[in-house]
Amino acid sequence: GDSVTQTEGLVTLTEGLPVMLNCTYQTIYSNPFLFWYVQHLNESPRLLLKSFTDNKRTEHQGFHATLHKSSSSFHLQKSSAQLSDSALYYCALYQGGRALIFGTGTTVSVSP
Amino acid sequence: NSKVIQTPRYLVKGQGQKAKMRCIPEKGHPVVFWYQQNKNNEFKFLINFQNQEVLQQIDMTEKRFSAECPSNSPCSLEIQSSEAGDSALYLCASIQGSYEQYFGPGTRLTVL
Repeated sequence: GDSVTQTEGLVTLTEGLPVMLNCTYQTIYSNPFLFWYVQHLNESPRLLLKSFTDNKRTEHQGFHATLHKSSSSFHLQKSSAQLSDSALYYCALYQGGRALIFGTGTTVSVSP
Repeated sequence: NSKVIQTPRYLVKGQGQKAKMRCIPEKGHPVVFWYQQNKNNEFKFLINFQNQEVLQQIDMTEKRFSAECPSNSPCSLEIQSSEAGDSALYLCASIQGSYEQYFGPGTRLTVL
């Protein structure tokens, strides 16, 4: 069945350093929609990035990701982490009318 | 920013009790999803509606939950007999014609 894989459970880094979170997916659907959600402590998930266009970079709030259908990937990157970026990040797959399929999430912890 | 409203924000029930939570989707959004996020931060799709009709639901929802989305009233999700394993964050999301799901703040259920 369809699935989303996030390989890092926990990413710890120092403020100002770059961050990259991996996301790969499996689906039989030829036109998947991919998302990144961010969830801060005691909050609900908030949509961070979205894409359904192959090889097109999407950016929001300093984060960026590019959907690569050839490698079934949608990695999240930021050039310089901030303390406020500490949160849970989920990659999710959507196939029109069906429920989101979430990855297991990556906890990002940014220290001074 | 999401305009999905969920009430109550917190719910505490004893085992065997009913637990009911409500969701008001964004105005004009005909499709509503319910998810459960457990203490391990794993997401489980529960049920979704288009207008007042159930589109999909999992076995657990069919057997133990009562859910509806009446016209001109909030959607609701009710656990008929709460179990300790039902303690989780229950998230409602709505979509319109696009594929982006925006979540409400959630109802955190604790079953004692």
